[in-house]
Amino acid sequence: QKEVEQNSGPLSVPEGAIASLNCTYSDRGSQSFFWYRQYSGKSPELIMFIYSNGDKEDGRFTAQLNKASQYVSLLIRDSQPSDSATYLCAVIQGAQKLVFGQGTRLTINP
Amino acid sequence: ETGVTQTPRHLVMGMTNKKSLKCEQHLGHNAMYWYKQSAKKPLELMFVYNFKEQTENNSVPSRFSPECPNSSHLFLHLHTLQPEDSALYLCASSLRGDFTDTQYFGPGTRLTVL
Repeated sequence: QKEVEQNSGPLSVPEGAIASLNCTYSDRGSQSFFWYRQYSGKSPELIMFIYSNGDKEDGRFTAQLNKASQYVSLLIRDSQPSDSATYLCAVIQGAQKLVFGQGTRLTINP
Repeated sequence: ETGVTQTPRHLVMGMTNKKSLKCEQHLGHNAMYWYKQSAKKPLELMFVYNFKEQTENNSVPSRFSPECPNSSHLFLHLHTLQPEDSALYLCASSLRGDFTDTQYFGPGTRLTVL
């Protein structure tokens, strides 16, 4: 079982719709969760992190965490073509080991 | 990508060569990181330096040797590499050494091992 698992996609969403990206993790003791965005040919950039169960909202982005089910998701409301990128889920395991998922490639269709 | 520079941007080397990758940050950060990004594989954290002290080594082979002479500079010394080490090597920095702080990534060095 992969430590952090994401559907590699591509995920196609029409412009203006909600894009939903999911991530599951294997280490039940994980406490910190991150979402990065990586445009093609560019470096990753942190867009959100979440520690507590529930939702965390930042503009059009909402991160959702469910520790009991060991999944974390990212919702993007009012999707824009500029949101087209690969989204990386990352989880801190143990003391300080940051583990990334494979990434989900998202395409927003105008 | 601004504020963190990496040189060279592209590197081709043979398996017997010795080379070094350089990273420099102009952001006044205290933590620096090396990552490896291979095609079809997740991004891998290799090394973490916090206030010049190495705090993380994720089971990286000894043919990769990091060096952090000060908080602004980070090197990755390479020797006797294998073709499977071909990848994009990313450097990042952050104000603090915990991952909740925004990491600023450099543009990366595209390494090809022949």
